[in-house]
Amino acid sequence: DAGVTQSPTHLIKTRGQQVTLRCSPKSGHDTVSWYQQALGQGPQFIFQYYEEEERQRGNFPDRFSGHQFPNYSSELNVNALLLGDSALYLCASSLGRRDSPLHFGNGTRLTVT
Amino acid sequence: AQSVTQLDSQVPVFEEAPVELRCNYSSSVSVYLFWYVQYPNQGLQLLLKYLSGSTLVKGINGFEAEFNKSQTSFHLRKPSVHISDTAEYFCAVSEGNRDDKIIFGKGTRLHILP
Repeated sequence: DAGVTQSPTHLIKTRGQQVTLRCSPKSGHDTVSWYQQALGQGPQFIFQYYEEEERQRGNFPDRFSGHQFPNYSSELNVNALLLGDSALYLCASSLGRRDSPLHFGNGTRLTVT
Repeated sequence: AQSVTQLDSQVPVFEEAPVELRCNYSSSVSVYLFWYVQYPNQGLQLLLKYLSGSTLVKGINGFEAEFNKSQTSFHLRKPSVHISDTAEYFCAVSEGNRDDKIIFGKGTRLHILP
């Protein structure tokens, strides 16, 4: 039973560019959440997708957008990259209930130069 | 809105000694509480969760946590740590309606001394 998989594992981009990160949820999970983890910090909630719609959003600008596909996989897009966007981006899947723990992927390390 | 405070950014402890990692939360409604562990260059892994019932919760790798509603705390404990417990530990909370998000603390780095 595959867990949460994310791709790519590492990425280097230049300021102003755009990036797309991908996530496949754990089998049986229908909800995907994205988190940004800066160095030495806890994960910060970006947004959550359920039934192909953004259900909740954290305090992130509109440059951060996402999508969920019918097979529950998801993408995170970041436009007009800033140096401050450099971080580990974590995808987590769950059953979409508040008592359902998150299952995390190993993340995508994004470096913006 | 809920929030989570982890009072210690780093905790050094000798191998085979006991450890407690502190977590306090702020919420106006009932909550679900979680502890996650992150090993270097990996994602987060669930250690244990409190949903309801007994306030003492046992998790993986010998860890346990106690929910204290009056003190709004959910401290993590282990009676005897090992080198393999070296990692970052995150306390997390969810509240509100069924759709609510899980919010994480800033983490506590557990440093095991030989």
